[in-house]
Amino acid sequence: GDQVEQSPSALSLHEGTGSALRCNFTTTMRAVQWFRKNSRGSLINLFYLASGTKENGRLKSAFDSKERYSTLHIRDAQLEDSGTYFCAAEMDSNYQLIWGSGTKLIIKP
Amino acid sequence: EAAVTQSPRSKVAVTGGKVTLSCHQTNNHDYMYWYRQDTGHGLRLIHYSYVADSTEKGDIPDGYKASRPSQENFSLILELASLSQTAVYFCASRTRYEQYFGPGTRLTVL
Repeated sequence: GDQVEQSPSALSLHEGTGSALRCNFTTTMRAVQWFRKNSRGSLINLFYLASGTKENGRLKSAFDSKERYSTLHIRDAQLEDSGTYFCAAEMDSNYQLIWGSGTKLIIKP
Repeated sequence: EAAVTQSPRSKVAVTGGKVTLSCHQTNNHDYMYWYRQDTGHGLRLIHYSYVADSTEKGDIPDGYKASRPSQENFSLILELASLSQTAVYFCASRTRYEQYFGPGTRLTVL
């Protein structure tokens, strides 16, 4: 089965609101990365976490290896936050990433 | 700033034809990767390489070959393109902590 389960698959928010994306892992992961795929199709690095939390502007991410999950919180959403967000977990030492299926985020005015 | 470029950015190929996708990085990274993305799915690893002149199979290597002639260049080769290989292909290189992605190549096989 899938080792990385990402939810929700789609999310619609009004500008100025916030929400959280989540990835659950079926096994212990060493680290997690979060990416955004923008309208031009480019993948943008958002966070890399081996543990704990990181914050960057209106985005905050957390990773709990023991509890097997990671979250990405968005607050005060802006139109430019629209895109598809992916989590990717690092399971072993050759740095291969196992990807979630993505969350399509739409920000409405 | 880390840079990964891909060429071509889009391509239309005929079934049974040969397709070569190229990736170039100026990051001096050892690891490079080829992924494909299909609508509604996450990226899936096709091949990767951790040193020049060596490639490794990823999760879905069937129908693909890879070539790493130098640290900077990593190619993905479809010897006999098939309809099921229509997808967007991403190349990446990485440090210990982050992967840097190219802009993607949209491949359509007709």
